[in-house]
Amino acid sequence: EPEVTQTPSHQVTQMGQEVILRCVPISNHLYFYWYRQILGQKVEFLVSFYNNEISEKSEIFDDQFSVERPDGSNFTLKIRSTKLEDSAMYFCASRAYKDEQYFGPGTRLTVT
Amino acid sequence: KQEVTQIPAALSVPEGENLVLNCSFTDSAIYNLQWFRQDPGKGLTSLLLIQSSQREQTSGRLNASLDKSSGRSTLYIAASQPGDSATYLCAVKNGGATNKLIFGTGTLLAVQP
Repeated sequence: EPEVTQTPSHQVTQMGQEVILRCVPISNHLYFYWYRQILGQKVEFLVSFYNNEISEKSEIFDDQFSVERPDGSNFTLKIRSTKLEDSAMYFCASRAYKDEQYFGPGTRLTVT
Repeated sequence: KQEVTQIPAALSVPEGENLVLNCSFTDSAIYNLQWFRQDPGKGLTSLLLIQSSQREQTSGRLNASLDKSSGRSTLYIAASQPGDSATYLCAVKNGGATNKLIFGTGTLLAVQP
């Protein structure tokens, strides 16, 4: 069964460094998402992406964040200058025209 | 602003019991509701999706119901097994021009052998 994959599974970085989290959505899906979950808190929406542009973003998704679909298969989330409070599990999700969103296994980001 | 709440926060049951997990939302103008399972440190596995026009959906031992007007959904798990132990999350997608899911707080389920 097709699934969303994410790399790396765990990323440790120092405050102020740039990180890129990578996702490979399900191949025939058209809508792509990033969510995050700070330890012990709810899953929160960050951004949605469709037709090579951002379709919606939350107030969390400020100028430090960017997304890109550099080729036909990858979808990336870049954090330019990481802060301690960016430490969280980041989930990528995708969907086709049907409404069900499929989530990847997540990347645990630890900022020290 | 849509708020999603799940009760109880944690639940422990003996194996074989039937159980109900609850999800409530403050704005009834939803487009759909999705139930997920999350294992510790892992991703989210979609269990069931209910459209706003539907009353329930079933998959195996799972049955999800939706009462949009009262802002409630329930996830019924029949004949629970230790392998059902996980956190269960519900998430709503509002109507209108939005794609995002708004998640609840989750219910941590432990099924004792």
